[in-house]
Amino acid sequence: GAVVSQHPSWVICKSGTSVKIECRSLDFQATTMFWYRQFPKQSLMLMATSNEGSKATYEQGVEKDKFLINHASLTLSTLTVTSAHPEDSSFYICSARPARGPHGYTFGSGTRLTVV
Amino acid sequence: QQQVKQSPQSLIVQKGGISIINCAYENTAFDYFPWYQQFPGKGPALLIAIRPDVSEKKEGRFTISFNKSAKQFSLHIMDSQPGDSATYFCAARGSAGNMLTFGGGTRLMVKP
Repeated sequence: GAVVSQHPSWVICKSGTSVKIECRSLDFQATTMFWYRQFPKQSLMLMATSNEGSKATYEQGVEKDKFLINHASLTLSTLTVTSAHPEDSSFYICSARPARGPHGYTFGSGTRLTVV
Repeated sequence: QQQVKQSPQSLIVQKGGISIINCAYENTAFDYFPWYQQFPGKGPALLIAIRPDVSEKKEGRFTISFNKSAKQFSLHIMDSQPGDSATYFCAARGSAGNMLTFGGGTRLMVKP
């Protein structure tokens, strides 16, 4: 149990375009999901906390207008990178935790974004 | 301050040996301490986790030792195997929020 599905696993886009990444909890409901960014050989950096039915909470230094988060249902959160630039190229990972049960935080498989 | 310090940054162990990774934290409000394993190009996978009211937890070859007074916890991988070669992250959750704070990671290589 406690599976988180993330799509796409990789995407290449041109500068100036927008890219949407989906994160789904497959077998549990998640009122809160988390979005992380990870640069090569570095740790995970929390970007924002996504709350179902309300606005996301962004960490300091993260541009909320560039990284749009929508948590439309208890099983789906999306991250849209708007007007992407090469410096936005990174590995993006989502995470969620069931409200009940023994499972801890489960992570998606990540999305490798390359902006050319 | 929400910080978790992890050491070493990299570790090489012979097959069959014990891998030991250490983490230290500052915030006494942390109430959940998981360890994650990450392979290249994949998301982190939960290995084992502990709460501060327990000093040790063992699951198979993986053991967490927790020292509340020293604000330190460590991961021990017994009988390390080449398949254990990955990056390991410790993390901690603050009771005030719901998010995890990650350590810097340890790249483990187990030589055959």
